Amino acid sequence: AQSVTQLDSHVSVSEGTPVLLRCNYSSSYSPSLFWYVQHPNKGLQLLLKYTSAATLVKGINGFEAEFKKSETSFHLTKPSAHMSDAAEYFCVVSGRAAGNKLTFGGGTRVLVKP
Amino acid sequence: GAGVSQSPRYKVAKRGQDVALRCDPISGHVSLFWYQQALGQGPEFLTYFQNEAQLDKSGLPSDRFFAERPEGSVSTLKIQRTQQEDSAVYLCASSLNRQGVGEQYFGPGTRLTVT
Repeated sequence: AQSVTQLDSHVSVSEGTPVLLRCNYSSSYSPSLFWYVQHPNKGLQLLLKYTSAATLVKGINGFEAEFKKSETSFHLTKPSAHMSDAAEYFCVVSGRAAGNKLTFGGGTRVLVKP
Repeated sequence: GAGVSQSPRYKVAKRGQDVALRCDPISGHVSLFWYQQALGQGPEFLTYFQNEAQLDKSGLPSDRFFAERPEGSVSTLKIQRTQQEDSAVYLCASSLNRQGVGEQYFGPGTRLTVT
């Protein structure tokens, strides 16, 4: 079984300040982990993915995430928020034993204030 | 190249009507997934195809939901006798990989509203 918990349903930051989106996962096997972003009325876009290589993963648009097995966490960060980062973010877990289906967290809505 | 496309983008159905939602995956992608995203929630898995074979339909919420991919490319999700709780965005995703974990590319979704 696999599951994902996103610890914050809403995050509000000021433009130019750091962003931290928290994610904890549960998996009975070695998981693959992803962060997706969903802008209003647009499709899901992959930000980054972890697949058992380097634990610090760099993605698009300046985002990065660190896989911490001991804490079962995969938090997403960005050093400086931009207005265009306002969107819904989903932490996702997957793996071969689950048939490659993606299991999504509940999402974190990010608001960026000018 | 073209991404995953879905049609229609919006569908309004009266309760009890049947609907059919279409997904055109990226050409050559072996795997195809359907997800349901209720308002304010994350997407939830419905069903998975590898080529034309439906290998997992464990997420389909009832026997009113039916999916097919007869020639291993285009897929259709059909909902019979729609109910208000079926209102959601239905997402299709395709992946190049047959096995292992690969990136899933998502379409824009079909927003279904049942009145």
